Amino acid sequence: NAGVTQTPKFQVLKTGQSMTLQCAQDMNHEYMSWYRQDPGMGLRLIHYSVGAGITDQGEVPNGYNVSRSTTEDFPLRLLSAAPSQTSVYFCASRSGWGGVNIEAFFGQGTRLTVV
Amino acid sequence: GEDVEQSLFLSVREGDSSVINCTYTDSSSTYLYWYKQEPGAGLQLLTYIFSNMDMKQDQRLTVLLNKKDKHLSLRIADTQTGDSAIYFCAERDGGSQGNLIFGKGTKLSVKP
Repeated sequence: NAGVTQTPKFQVLKTGQSMTLQCAQDMNHEYMSWYRQDPGMGLRLIHYSVGAGITDQGEVPNGYNVSRSTTEDFPLRLLSAAPSQTSVYFCASRSGWGGVNIEAFFGQGTRLTVV
Repeated sequence: GEDVEQSLFLSVREGDSSVINCTYTDSSSTYLYWYKQEPGAGLQLLTYIFSNMDMKQDQRLTVLLNKKDKHLSLRIADTQTGDSAIYFCAERDGGSQGNLIFGKGTKLSVKP
């Protein structure tokens, strides 16, 4: 059981380049989300999805796009990378979005550097 | 908006107890969590507490919740060097989506 898989693990981009961070889960979870982790800032929610075809913005959505065409995949797109997007990105999934569903499962992270 | 606050660093000696504190603002939070992040890794759920509970114990871990003061603490008994990590407090927001709101994380250093 792979859980939540993120690719790539590391990436260096030049300012203005675009790229897609991949996230896939094999637990049939409805809820998926993207966070960024910066030193001294904790984890901040970028975008989330409560099911295929449904996405919404989190706390820091600017500069990022998402889509959810399947239950399994939730890619995060950077259209024009900026140095301020240098961060560690985590994808997380959870069964359901309300009720008593408790645990969110996290991927191992993608460390992105924009130069 | 919702906010979760915790101190950034804690240093203890091996064998001592560690207490990590957290305050939160959303009184409608249903669940409060402690996540552990080891170097270079993702976050793993350590424990959680439902908002109608005062205390939860799980082996070396004790979670205390003071709902009136919106204060959460994690006590690790007999702290080991393997407990060195960043510990995140998180609340599930009271909205229907149940997004997690994280504190900045407390880096626990355990000295031998």
